[in-house]
Amino acid sequence: AQTVTQSQPEMSVQEAETVTLSCTYDTSESNYYLFWYKQPPSRQMILVIRQEAYKQQNATENRFSVNFQKAAKSFSLKISDSQLGDTAMYFCAFMTSNSGYALNFGKGTSLLVTP
Amino acid sequence: DVKVTQSSRYLVKRTGEKVFLECVQDMDHENMFWYRQDPGLGLRLIYFSYDVKMKEKGDIPEGYSVSREKKERFSLILESASTNQTSMYLCASHQGGAAKNIQYFGAGTRLSVL
Repeated sequence: AQTVTQSQPEMSVQEAETVTLSCTYDTSESNYYLFWYKQPPSRQMILVIRQEAYKQQNATENRFSVNFQKAAKSFSLKISDSQLGDTAMYFCAFMTSNSGYALNFGKGTSLLVTP
Repeated sequence: DVKVTQSSRYLVKRTGEKVFLECVQDMDHENMFWYRQDPGLGLRLIYFSYDVKMKEKGDIPEGYSVSREKKERFSLILESASTNQTSMYLCASHQGGAAKNIQYFGAGTRLSVL
């Protein structure tokens, strides 16, 4: 079975600071994709960043970057220069072609950015 | 931009009613998905479809069925709604291929079954 674990149900960070959200996963597949999605209070799920397992280079998108450790099956998200608009639920997710490209989600981390 | 539209943001139904949740995507995507979101449980896959009239069960299909008569539309059906189906339902559409592999989500339908 493929599982995704987010060990931090809630986190808080001050504006302009840096925060790291943790995610670990378990799979026997060799080819897969990892994602971080953001869900603000509006409920719209927004893709933050994605990583292909075959790529060793960590993905970055502006203030968002990941630390992908394939051997450790770890995929953490770092948010730099946190902004109030980053307040949201963050979900780590995993996808393989063998599962019909369905996403397997973690339970989420609620991030609060304070002034 | 990809658009995934769910027909209702909020829905209130009675126990035993037949409920239809509709989802439409405008990007000719092959794959479409229905997830259920509950606090503390994340998102769980109910059903998905990889082509017209094709469907596959996800992790929690009991009490649900789906219909995909046209490529752009994927419907979730609660044959006889029960209170334990009160939840948020999210539809997603998948842009495949090696370059992308991204799922796009609708805004969600919050269903209350009384």
